[in-house]
Amino acid sequence: QQQVKQSPQSLIVQKGGISIINCAYENTAFDYFPWYQQFPGKGPALLIAIRPDVSEKKEGRFTISFNKSAKQFSLHIMDSQPGDSATYFCAASTSYTGGGNKLTFGTGTQLKVEL
Amino acid sequence: DAGVIQSPRHEVTEMGQEVTLRCKPISGHDYLFWYRQTMMRGLELLIYFNNNVPIDDSGMPEDRFSAKMPNASFSTLKIQPSEPRDSAVYFCASSFDIGGYTFGSGTRLTVV
Repeated sequence: QQQVKQSPQSLIVQKGGISIINCAYENTAFDYFPWYQQFPGKGPALLIAIRPDVSEKKEGRFTISFNKSAKQFSLHIMDSQPGDSATYFCAASTSYTGGGNKLTFGTGTQLKVEL
Repeated sequence: DAGVIQSPRHEVTEMGQEVTLRCKPISGHDYLFWYRQTMMRGLELLIYFNNNVPIDDSGMPEDRFSAKMPNASFSTLKIQPSEPRDSAVYFCASSFDIGGYTFGSGTRLTVV
């Protein structure tokens, strides 16, 4: 019930291409969906987040697409750059009573952007 | 703000020894989380606090693990006795209300 499934596990994209990472969830009480970016030797850092009242959110080259009926959301990185090479985690949490602020993380996607 | 501060950055210890990891959250954040990251298991939530009170410790793997938050600006995660399978990167994160976490840089623990 609390799982967030993420795919693919790893991804290689050419510079300038589009990187797409997908996540699916089961708990319909989830109402906050962030994406985190982690570089080697660093902690994950919040990249972009969405709430289910919108279907898409864009910040620069990063876009979250959200499909509430399918219980899926995805991260799109446009014009991917070598500096985007990192591990990306999707996550979800619920603001309902008892949910606290506990994020459930996906298993991560290692993105490599090649020249 | 200096962000979430963890210490030490690296810790190498012998099996059976006590290990204490430290975390200073961002001022004003009322949630504090301890995570463990390994290649095999990814990011695992160990325990989290709200207003210094432990809310959910169901992720703490064994009684060898304990965590405290004596005040709003400090938390510790202790492992006693440590075992080689405890080797991992341990992250502390803090947040306010319902929002994104800010993670520290982590403590890389190696138990030999």
